[in-house]
Amino acid sequence: DGGITQSPKYLFRKEGQNVTLSCEQNLNHDAMYWYRQDPGQGLRLIYYSQIVNDFQKGDIAEGYSVSREKKESFPLTVTSAQKNPTAFYLCASSHTAGNYGYTFGSGTRLTVV
Amino acid sequence: AQKVTQAQTEISVVEKEDVTLDCVYETRDTTYYLFWYKQPPSGELVFLIRRNSFDEQNEISGRYSWNFQKSTSSFNFTITASQVVDSAVYFCALITRGSNYQLIWGAGTKLIIKP
Repeated sequence: DGGITQSPKYLFRKEGQNVTLSCEQNLNHDAMYWYRQDPGQGLRLIYYSQIVNDFQKGDIAEGYSVSREKKESFPLTVTSAQKNPTAFYLCASSHTAGNYGYTFGSGTRLTVV
Repeated sequence: AQKVTQAQTEISVVEKEDVTLDCVYETRDTTYYLFWYKQPPSGELVFLIRRNSFDEQNEISGRYSWNFQKSTSSFNFTITASQVVDSAVYFCALITRGSNYQLIWGAGTKLIIKP
């Protein structure tokens, strides 16, 4: 079955540590996205990539980094520079123009302890 | 500028009641696409519907229906005979050339269906 896989589902991190969230898709989509969602809030775009080896900052990129070495993969690193990393992170993918909508993964819940 | 407004932060109804979630959008583009997504407590966003700006026909899918009116820039979502499983957060979203084909999200409406 085609879809997006995010792992892990739950992640705990100590303050000051970097952590990488995985996102893999087998939908042959060109574009991929990372969103952050805080409790009771909407979605905020962190980074997006419309083609391999290229990506752009979203609205809240500070403290995060990404790579897009393969079409299928778009990992997100939450660095120690991110002041409030505890949140729910959603990965999505779409065809380049996005006008058919996005397909979402099941999310990763990150908690800093 | 592109914008999506979901003025209803939270709605609570008793099971079997009908409920309408409002969505108002802003864009100067003539070609655009509107979406509704459902986010159940598990967190994953589930695609419900896509509508392009040239198709104003209303759509019905089981207990779900959507009313698209360009004259009022609205794309409202109605659930008929609501069920507890409909409890979720519902997001309306817009995509246009002017948004660089990035989804512009509404803030979401939390729907609570009481048994």
